[in-house]
Parts: sequence; C-alpha cells; structure tokens
Amino acid sequence: EAQVTQNPRYLITVTGKKLTVTCSQNMNHEYMSWYRQDPGLGLRQIYYSMNVEVTDKGDVPEGYKVSRKEKRNFPLILESPSPNQTSLYFCASSAHPSGAPQHFGDGTRLSIL
Amino acid sequence: QQPVQSPQAVILREGEDAVINCSSSKALYSVHWYRQKHGEAPIFLMILLKGGEQKGHDKISASFNEKKQQSSLYLTASQLSYSGTYFCGPRNSGNTPLVFGKGTRLSVIA
Repeated sequence: EAQVTQNPRYLITVTGKKLTVTCSQNMNHEYMSWYRQDPGLGLRQIYYSMNVEVTDKGDVPEGYKVSRKEKRNFPLILESPSPNQTSLYFCASSAHPSGAPQHFGDGTRLSIL
Repeated sequence: QQPVQSPQAVILREGEDAVINCSSSKALYSVHWYRQKHGEAPIFLMILLKGGEQKGHDKISASFNEKKQQSSLYLTASQLSYSGTYFCGPRNSGNTPLVFGKGTRLSVIA
C-alpha cells in the first residue's frame, strides 16, 4: 500500500531536549516536504527536498533541520525545541513538487513544555 | 506568499451548494485542492490546469481562471461527509513547491 509514515504520532517533551520526527515513503517519490499546521494559519512549509541530498527552506524553517540521505526518508530534527514549536506536523511526498498530488502522512502532534 | 481563500468558514445544510474561492497574487500554472477532516491528514481532491478547465470529483468540481489568477471549488448538493477544511495550493511556475492557503472550514449540518 502506498503510504507516507510518520513517527511518532504524538510526543510531549520539554524545552531544549533534541528530538527527531521520522518520515518515510514507499512510492519512490523524489519530492518530500514538511509542514506545520497551527489554528488559523493553514499548512506552512518548513523544509522541502527535491531529491537525495537536495534540501531547501520553506516559509518557516527557523528552529528546524532536515536531512535527505536516502530517497525514502526525510527526518525533521528539532535541535533545541521551544514551546512555540508546539504544533501538528505533516510530512508529504510527491512525484513532483507542484505538478502531482501530495501524499500526506497521518501527522505528528508535538507538545513542547 | 500564501493564496487568499474565501470564505474563511461556511455552514451549510445538507443539499445546499457552496463555492470556495482561491486567489493568487502571481500567475497561475495550476491549482491543487485538498480536503482535511478534523485530526486527519489532508487528502488530494483534484488538480486544475491552466486553460479554464473544470474538473469534477463526485459532486465536487472546480474551475480555473488564469486571467483572474483564481480558482473556485464548487460543492453541489452537499453531504455531511463534505465537512472539513478545504485548502487550495496554487502552482505559480515550474518546479516551485505548493504554497497552501489558510483553508476554508466547511460544516454541513443535517
């Protein structure tokens, strides 16, 4: 089954404790991206990747890091999380950044205390 | 820059129609539409290509007006299952990523 898998689905942690949210897709998609969703603000892009070893900043990259060492994986790293990063996070993949449907993961709800 | 969606929210009774608009400040290549149920991932509905094409998905269709840099989503004879937040994502050029609007919350009541 074609899917985008995110882990964990829920996480409560404390300020400053490094964390990684993993994202994996099994559709051989070249394009992957991370979004955060906050009430009233829609889906805002954090980082995206056009292919292996190619990543770029989206609209709200501050406080986040990503890597794309393999085509299927695109982890989101919060080196020193802060409460303003409490949000719902979605990973998405697509055969093309804007010419093909985006497939979203089920989301990760992150709470930073 | 985020596209502008209107209205921000709408409440319908079953069977009523609705229109959701999406406007971009830049020239449009194509427009994506997605629906998100509360607490779930956004689901792809359709892609509109430039040329004024109108596509359909069940009783949901959309149009694309390249000149006005706008797309509209039409929900006909709405059903309870249509409830959710609708997002548009205009594609402005070549390989640039989608930028989604803030969404339109649609509530269909019996």
